[in-house]
Amino acid sequence: ETGVTQTPRHLVMGMTNKKSLKCEQHLGHNAMYWYKQSAKKPLELMFVYNFKEQTENNSVPSRFSPECPNSSHLFLHLHTLQPEDSALYLCASSQDARQPQHFGDGTRLSIL
Amino acid sequence: AQTVTQSQPEMSVQEAETVTLSCTYDTSENNYYLFWYKQPPSRQMILVIRQEAYKQQNATENRFSVNFQKAAKSFSLKISDSQLGDTAMYFCAFMYSGGGADGLTFGKGTHLIIQP
Repeated sequence: ETGVTQTPRHLVMGMTNKKSLKCEQHLGHNAMYWYKQSAKKPLELMFVYNFKEQTENNSVPSRFSPECPNSSHLFLHLHTLQPEDSALYLCASSQDARQPQHFGDGTRLSIL
Repeated sequence: AQTVTQSQPEMSVQEAETVTLSCTYDTSENNYYLFWYKQPPSRQMILVIRQEAYKQQNATENRFSVNFQKAAKSFSLKISDSQLGDTAMYFCAFMYSGGGADGLTFGKGTHLIIQP
């Protein structure tokens, strides 16, 4: 039990589908993050939310749309994805910038 | 922008041996944190150890210790008395500590295999 829960664990979708990834943290943290982990590449930071406000969008295509309704929940809405978007998507949270980030188990996304 | 380099894609050692994973980074910042994370096949990213750049003393967590050389921008991880459960991907990561919430910049990782 990591304190950060991601659902679904696996997702297969077509390029024209719309789906959402969900992340929930039970640690009372104030910051939440989305990362993309592709094969043979370093983990890439996608979005940062601090106190529910988006503070960073790391040049992510608009087909990825984050939502943070409260400090415990973070969503990643997906639509019209491309095959190169297949990856492991990891959510993380932290108390603040000086504290380590705690990660969820990730959602393995496959685009057909 | 920061970069993190892990020059060893894969390493393999015998159980109970000591192994050192290397990491170098490049930044113009003076205040930052460095981390080592472990990712076993279960995919969960687990924090192994953290180092504050302003601290000269190397961080230690049980069998895990780091050799932090700020001037050289080097941050290696030493695992003593290695165990089979240490088999995993190990990622070195950098985070600026200038305030707000910042993401981590990761290296490509080192796949560590502990042989029985």
